[in-house]
Amino acid sequence: GNSVTQMEGPVTLSEEAFLTINCTYTATGYPSLFWYVQYPGEGLQLLLKATKADDKGSNKGFEATYRKETTSFHLEKGSVQVSDSAVYFCALNTNAGKSTFGDGTTLTVKP
Amino acid sequence: DAGVIQSPRHEVTEMGQEVTLRCKPISGHDYLFWYRQTMMRGLELLIYFNNNVPIDDSGMPEDRFSAKMPNASFSTLKIQPSEPRDSAVYFCASSPQSAGNSNQPQHFGDGTRLSIL
Repeated sequence: GNSVTQMEGPVTLSEEAFLTINCTYTATGYPSLFWYVQYPGEGLQLLLKATKADDKGSNKGFEATYRKETTSFHLEKGSVQVSDSAVYFCALNTNAGKSTFGDGTTLTVKP
Repeated sequence: DAGVIQSPRHEVTEMGQEVTLRCKPISGHDYLFWYRQTMMRGLELLIYFNNNVPIDDSGMPEDRFSAKMPNASFSTLKIQPSEPRDSAVYFCASSPQSAGNSNQPQHFGDGTRLSIL
């Protein structure tokens, strides 16, 4: 079956530090890959996506590249801000209708 | 555009009472999902619908839980009788994804925070 494995948290960084959150997946077929972000008291919201190998998704300074050869979709940001503190979820879709989510990684950015 | 709308936002009730959570998906979305989120178990898919028909309810924890989707714009998740271990945040999400098109994300509501005393 499909699965998503995320880097375990929590992750604590100082403002302006470089962020990487690792995500690897197992899937049949050719999935689409997503990163969602969840701020306190809110639902998950799409951060970025990539739908085929070598695609790069980007949004709000975050980037992730779909690497088919390593089955990975690592999230990166060059300089984090306090406002980036949230829980980040990696996910994949196949044609089966539902998504498979990772366990989430909590990021705290300190001033 | 209106997003996914859930009600109530907060619910506090006593053990044994019936609880009904409501969801209005985004118009035109043909998939609807119910999730439960807790610190211990993380995000769990309970059930999902396609075109108002339940497709997979294997995540529903027990017979006390039931979900319906009487039309394309409304769904309910009911717990009867409720127990303290049902305390969690329940999310509804919808997606325009259709068969053969996997590149659409899910759109989540802001959740219902349920506390069973």
